[in-house]
Amino acid sequence: EPEVTQTPSHQVTQMGQEVILRCVPISNHLYFYWYRQILGQKVEFLVSFYNNEISEKSEIFDDQFSVERPDGSNFTLKIRSTKLEDSAMYFCASTWSGTYEQYFGPGTRLTVT
Amino acid sequence: AQSVTQLGSHVSVSEGALVLLRCNYSSSVPPYLFWYVQYPNQGLQLLLKYTSAATLVKGINGFEAEFKKSETSFHLTKPSAHMSDAAEYFCAVSDAGGFKTIFGAGTRLFVKA
Repeated sequence: EPEVTQTPSHQVTQMGQEVILRCVPISNHLYFYWYRQILGQKVEFLVSFYNNEISEKSEIFDDQFSVERPDGSNFTLKIRSTKLEDSAMYFCASTWSGTYEQYFGPGTRLTVT
Repeated sequence: AQSVTQLGSHVSVSEGALVLLRCNYSSSVPPYLFWYVQYPNQGLQLLLKYTSAATLVKGINGFEAEFKKSETSFHLTKPSAHMSDAAEYFCAVSDAGGFKTIFGAGTRLFVKA
């Protein structure tokens, strides 16, 4: 069964460093998403991406964040200058149609020290 | 703006008892509603979804939910709890285009032997 994959599973970085989180969505999906979940808290929407552009973004998704689909298979989330409060689990999701269920990856745990 | 409220951050039931997890939503447009389950250290898995068809929605693992527009509710139920149902459950609402999905704070279900 096709699945969303994410790498790395765990990333440790120092405050102020840039990180890139990678996701490979399911191959025929058209809508892509990033969410984050701070430990013990709810899942928060960050951004959705469709037709090679951002469709929606939350107030969390400020200028420090960017997304890209560089090669038609990968979907990346970049944080330019990480802060301690960026420490969280980041989930990528994809779907064929916006009204269909989203398929989530296993997540990348980002730890900023 | 859309929002989701899950009543009860923790619910504890005995094995074999009824499971009822409550979700109320707010949406200015007909919503798409979802229940996801998250097992420890894993991503989110879709249990069921409501997309304006039947108001009683059946999902995986014996779960079902009923959309009640008059009450703006989408409560999740299962007639008989199993130990393997112990997990975190998230209710979510999406706009019609599916570009933004808002999750509730989650309800952790404990199942006692």
